[in-house]
Amino acid sequence: SQELEQSPQSLIVQEGKNLTINCTSSKTLYGLYWYKQKYGEGLIFLMMLQKGGEEKSHEKITAKLDEKKQQSSLHITASQPSHAGIYLCGADGGGSEKLVFGKGTKLTVNP
Amino acid sequence: GAVVSQHPSRVICKSGTSVKIECRSLDFQATTMFWYRQFPKQSLMLMATSNEGSKATYEQGVEKDKFLINHASLTLSTLTVTSAHPEDSSFYICSASDGSLHGELFFGEGSRLTVL
Repeated sequence: SQELEQSPQSLIVQEGKNLTINCTSSKTLYGLYWYKQKYGEGLIFLMMLQKGGEEKSHEKITAKLDEKKQQSSLHITASQPSHAGIYLCGADGGGSEKLVFGKGTKLTVNP
Repeated sequence: GAVVSQHPSRVICKSGTSVKIECRSLDFQATTMFWYRQFPKQSLMLMATSNEGSKATYEQGVEKDKFLINHASLTLSTLTVTSAHPEDSSFYICSASDGSLHGELFFGEGSRLTVL
């Protein structure tokens, strides 16, 4: 079965710093989703990537899917306290109805 | 690690009938559970937030009379799709959170609903 490994598990950065979160799949990704969760709240959809080499940006957050479609990275530029939360990647393995999620990366941004 | 069980994993029903989907936290108390819906090749859409012992909070555009959510205990939340129609066919997934786990979310395996 497909597994998603996220790294790092947690990250503490100073406000203004850049950071990257990685999501690696054991199988080819047909659809890769990035979500953010604030404590006690539901998931917030950030971006979806489907094509190898695809890159999408939303405000200061950029997500990329590698050419082989097995790894995605989420990059935050000039982080702010509002970026703090848990970032999750989720995947559609293609042909499988089961969604798979990484274990999440807890991001803390210190002012 | 924490486990969330969802049942049934697949259900097929006739139009006009009601279907209940269960979400159970097996080894922790879930004070909050979330229900999502996913359309093919699209992201999860949060439907509602369910807190034990209180009424669910529905997201804008989600019909509360259509999608009944009950969180009767700290380990069980149910989603009932009432008077189901073919357009309700979708993949429904729940997640559960326990404050002592620092807000980490645990996901059920999802339930595929097909309304004929």
